[in-house]
Amino acid sequence: DQQVKQNSPSLSVQEGRISILNCDYTNSMFDYFLWYKKYPAEGPTFLISISSIKDKNEDGRFTVFLNKSAKHLSLHIVPSQPGDSAVYFCAAFYYKLTFGKGTLLTVNP
Amino acid sequence: DAGVIQSPRHEVTEMGQEVTLRCKPISGHDYLFWYRQTMMRGLELLIYFNNNVPIDDSGMPEDRFSAKMPNASFSTLKIQPSEPRDSAVYFCASRVGLAGAYEQYFGPGTRLTVT
Repeated sequence: DQQVKQNSPSLSVQEGRISILNCDYTNSMFDYFLWYKKYPAEGPTFLISISSIKDKNEDGRFTVFLNKSAKHLSLHIVPSQPGDSAVYFCAAFYYKLTFGKGTLLTVNP
Repeated sequence: DAGVIQSPRHEVTEMGQEVTLRCKPISGHDYLFWYRQTMMRGLELLIYFNNNVPIDDSGMPEDRFSAKMPNASFSTLKIQPSEPRDSAVYFCASRVGLAGAYEQYFGPGTRLTVT
């Protein structure tokens, strides 16, 4: 049973617009959440994280929002750039990381 | 600084053969993780070590899989005998065990193809 779900396998946006990637989780014991970005033929790289005691964390163009009551988090990228095109993984931590299956983001010039 | 190093990057083998994947974690990191990525199951944790000791191997699919960490700078994941369904990308990751530091750093992966 998947504890971390990314329901959109892919997302396509125009350069300069906002990209919103979503993630849902089921285990209320998760206390830390992370987003990873993965380019083809490379390993995932850490992007941004948020503790369960916060509802927002911002780092440059990237913002993660956490809604604990809905067990939902999202990653906003503003403005989107072609170099952001990659697979984005949501991950949740409770003694170990559990990953979603990823969303392929394509940013079109 | 060198990141996590994995070898080989690609491995093609025949069913029934033994396969050994290798990983060198980032120096100073005391946690090491082995993951497998497939289209069906996504990125799944196989086993992780803390200070060279296996802590949780509940993700290891079956007895054909084994992992060792003889020292802080080296780990292996072995599959014997290999089967076509083992075809996947295998990632090694490491992190430092500071409180609140849950970010793991991944290697480039080994793409395994079993024919």
